[in-house]
Amino acid sequence: DTEVTQTPKHLVMGMTNKKSLKCEQHMGHRAMYWYKQKAKKPPELMFVYSYEKLSINESVPSRFSPECPNSSLLNLHLHALQPEDSALYLCASSQDQSAGGGYNEQFFGPGTRLTVL
Amino acid sequence: AQKVTQAQTEISVVEKEDVTLDCVYETRDTTYYLFWYKQPPSGELVFLIRRNSFDEQNEISGRYSWNFQKSTSSFNFTITASQVVDSAVYFCALNNGANNLFFGTGTRLTVIP
Repeated sequence: DTEVTQTPKHLVMGMTNKKSLKCEQHMGHRAMYWYKQKAKKPPELMFVYSYEKLSINESVPSRFSPECPNSSLLNLHLHALQPEDSALYLCASSQDQSAGGGYNEQFFGPGTRLTVL
Repeated sequence: AQKVTQAQTEISVVEKEDVTLDCVYETRDTTYYLFWYKQPPSGELVFLIRRNSFDEQNEISGRYSWNFQKSTSSFNFTITASQVVDSAVYFCALNNGANNLFFGTGTRLTVIP
């Protein structure tokens, strides 16, 4: 199984809502990632989890709160978002660098298209 | 610091033409990997190839081929006999082993039937 799944595919939310994005993989990967991608731009790294611990936070605003409940799941909790947060949110996984896998390819999910009204 | 440059923002070709997508990178690391990803309109990034810094052999996979030249810090991607299904945004990326990918800005390829 080389698939990364993400739910929901589309999400529309108001600025006062609380919602969560979910990501799941069953490839045994111990590194998981959240990216944000605006239109016509490359993906921007937000967070990296290594063995279920947050290892990289690219100065992301606190209205985005990641969570890694186990080695297969990754969540992104959203609260009080702004319209400029509207984007495609991509989840990815890979072997972890500590296991010599830091150079391995990342496998991406299909993304969640988020619109903040 | 790592940097990946894809100077071609958009390319249009007629079906069956060959097309080369350019990628130039900068890094001070001696060990690194280079990648190409395809992003069709559906949005999912699809992994195409990984190449390590010690392996300069060119690679061919069907209609796809890659030319890696350390002397010019380039890792170019050629599609032979392009098809409409090749229409997508293509990203070149670099990984220096730190659980991170540095992406180029992408090249949007349109194949006209």
